[in-house]
Amino acid sequence: QSALTQPPSASGSPGQSVTISCTGTSSDIGTYNYVSWYQQYPGKAPKLIIYEVNKRPSGVPDRFSGSKSGSTASLTVSGLQAEDEADYYCSSYAGSNTFVFGGGTKLTVL
Amino acid sequence: EIQLVESGGGVVQPGGSLRLSCVGSGVTFSNYWIHWVRQVPGNGLVWVSRINGDGSNPMYADSVRGRFTISRDNAKNTVYLHITSLRDEDTAVYYCGRDVFGGVGSWGQGTLVSVSS
Repeated sequence: QSALTQPPSASGSPGQSVTISCTGTSSDIGTYNYVSWYQQYPGKAPKLIIYEVNKRPSGVPDRFSGSKSGSTASLTVSGLQAEDEADYYCSSYAGSNTFVFGGGTKLTVL
Repeated sequence: EIQLVESGGGVVQPGGSLRLSCVGSGVTFSNYWIHWVRQVPGNGLVWVSRINGDGSNPMYADSVRGRFTISRDNAKNTVYLHITSLRDEDTAVYYCGRDVFGGVGSWGQGTLVSVSS
């Protein structure tokens, strides 16, 4: 159950789009469409913003979108806003009744 | 929408045991599969365990299997995480959340477990 690989940091200016990658293997992202993304502010609990690769829970702005190609999933934040500055984590079902998270990416709005 | 509240954290000596609770409200609790996820302050999220609605199918991360036991009492709207043989590396904030097609939603506020002599 190795952690999924995310870049430690990402940044963009207000109004721009930013994409965060999440690289796994053929044992997790490459096989299953149970990829999720989370947003976490300092000192707060995480919040689910994408599930099943590209589905948004009710209330999540459509500026957040997810996709997958092979063993790499991506989260795109369009029309970047100051409030989007947070840590972002991906997760995936990894088979054998286990799940795995990525190491997290700190998104900075310049 | 389900609301979850964790409790039971605290300071425990290495080798000790602890039982965390995750209480749900506002819904038919037995309909929800529940995850436990932990986070060392300043570090990333780590999946720990998941239990299905009737408690018949618990799942564990390799790193905790054999020391952690997840269970539930739907009459009390509660999922438990019993942790034994605590180690320094178990120090973390423990969150519970409901399963959303393999994701974790409706996170609680977390409960801090600190392993220290």
